[in-house]
Formats: sequence, structure tokens, C-alpha cells
Amino acid sequence: DAGVTQSPTHLIKTRGQQVTLRCSPKSGHDTVSWYQQALGQGPQFIFQYYEEEERQRGNFPDRFSGHQFPNYSSELNVNALLLGDSALYLCASSLALQYTQYFGPGTRLTVL
Amino acid sequence: AQTVTQSQPEMSVQEAETVTLSCTYDTSESDYYLFWYKQPPSRQMILVIRQEAYKQQNATENRFSVNFQKAAKSFSLKISDSQLGDAAMYFCAYKVREANNLFFGTGTRLTVIP
Repeated sequence: DAGVTQSPTHLIKTRGQQVTLRCSPKSGHDTVSWYQQALGQGPQFIFQYYEEEERQRGNFPDRFSGHQFPNYSSELNVNALLLGDSALYLCASSLALQYTQYFGPGTRLTVL
Repeated sequence: AQTVTQSQPEMSVQEAETVTLSCTYDTSESDYYLFWYKQPPSRQMILVIRQEAYKQQNATENRFSVNFQKAAKSFSLKISDSQLGDAAMYFCAYKVREANNLFFGTGTRLTVIP
């Protein structure tokens, strides 16, 4: 039973660039959530996708956008990168009617 | 506002001993869920244990158990017979039934001393 996978593992970008992070949910899951975890902090909710629609959004600017594909995988896009966007980005998957979210290993983004 | 507070930034425990990690939360909701996640240096957030607020019985998963005090809004994690592999950051998290997002605390770093 495949768990949540994320790619790439690490990424280094410069200010102003754009980045795309990818997530494949746990087998059988249909809902994907994205979180940002700054160093030394707990994860902060960015948004959640279900049925290819953004279902809920946290307090993040429009530079953060996402997409969910028919196979339930998801992408997180961040435009006009800032130094403060450096963080671990975690993807979590779940079933729409269940409350537990299972996390992937994360993508470490460094913005120089 | 919904907040989760972990007042112990760091804790240590001797191998084979018992340790309790504290978590309090603030909410006006009555129907919610509580979680403890473990994040080892590998960074993957691993579910340790979960509790439904409507259940009075405390959840237990092998060596891990919780003390859920709904009136006090407290949700502590007890780890029995601590093992070296238990060393990690532990995050307490909360989710309102109708919402889709988890609220996390700032974490407690647990060190296990051989």
C-alpha cells in the first residue's frame, strides 16, 4: 500500500522565480491538503483540494496556487518567490468522509 | 481563534521510562478531533494517535496513550517504555469536524537517553 509521495525532495530557487511541487496521495485517498512548515514551527495550512476544486484555503497570498488532477494527485505552485517562502512543504492526503490526514515526506524549498 | 499550545519546547526521557507531553487547545467548538503526530529527522509527519472529542474513553495505541480532559481542553500524550526510536519532534494537532484543516502546535522535541 503506497503512502503519500512528494517530489522533489529538495529544491533551491532564487527570489522572483516560480516553483511547482508535486504530491501523489495515499492509495484510495481522494483529498489532498498542503501545509507550509517554517523552521522550528508547526505546519500551517495552505489549502485543500477535493474533486479537482480548492475546497478551503488558509491565510496565504494568491501567489500560492494549486491544482488537483483526475487521478487525485496535486501540484502546489508558488509564484514570485520570496525569501520567506523557504520552508518544508508537506502534502497530506485523506478520504473526503474521514478526518485523519496522512502526510508525505515533504519538499524542502530554499529561496536564495 | 483556534489555537494549540505545547508549553514544553524540549523534553528528555531515559530509555524504558515513561514521559508525558502536554498540549492544550482553545476552541468554542464542541465537535472536533485531536491528534499527536511524530516528526523524526527524516521530516515525515507520522500519525501517532487520534481522539474524537465525543468519546470519553482515552485513546491507546500500544505504548502510546492520551489523557483527554475536554473541560480543561487538555490533550496530553504518554509514552511508556520509551525507545530510542521515539526520539523526534511531537506535534499536537486539532481539527474541527466541519473544517478541512489541521491546526498544529509548535511542537515538543523529545530526546531519549540510552
